[in-house]
Amino acid sequence: QQQVRQSPQSLTVWEGETAILNCSYENSAFDYFPWYQQFPGEGPALLISILSVSDKKEDGRFTIFFNKREKKLSLHIADSQPGDSATYFCAASVPGNTGKLIFGLGTTLQVQP
Amino acid sequence: EAAVTQSPRNKVTVTGGNVTLSCRQTNSHNYMYWYRQDTGHGLRLIHYSYGAGNLQIGDVPDGYKATRTTQEDFFLLLELASPSQTSLYFCASSPRTSNERLFFGHGTKLSVL
Repeated sequence: QQQVRQSPQSLTVWEGETAILNCSYENSAFDYFPWYQQFPGEGPALLISILSVSDKKEDGRFTIFFNKREKKLSLHIADSQPGDSATYFCAASVPGNTGKLIFGLGTTLQVQP
Repeated sequence: EAAVTQSPRNKVTVTGGNVTLSCRQTNSHNYMYWYRQDTGHGLRLIHYSYGAGNLQIGDVPDGYKATRTTQEDFFLLLELASPSQTSLYFCASSPRTSNERLFFGHGTKLSVL
């Protein structure tokens, strides 16, 4: 079963709007949650991440909100730009020194000018 | 910026064929990973390694072998390729564990006819 779930599968917003991408997980032991951004023809690249001890992480226009009790997090992209059009993957790290990340299926964001 | 180079970028083979995908990173990272990316399945971990000579099994290892010959080089081997292995393959590296930033290559598109 999918341990990390993302919704919606695809999202279209207008330039300047806030895009909200959702993620939920099953394993309460997950302790690190990175978001990766992928443009067509390229590999994913780390965008922003959060540890489970925090409830919010900001980096410019990108903000993660984290709710540990509900096992949910969301990525907010403020003032969306056409250049933000990409696929966004939420991931979760297995605790300990295992070196493993579990990825969600991704949300494809289209920002219309 | 960490560099991860994959080769070839595209590969076509026939069922039963023998394929080797190559990955080299030049940043002295300890961890290297092989993922496959498929529509509807996201990114799935095949094998990973935390140093030369080390190999760890990922989540979808069946039909794949891997070998880490040096700190820099990690190979993925498909000895009897099947159509189900048609996919986009990504190599990644990270300094220590998955709790650190993963640097992905540009991917290898493999088609098994």
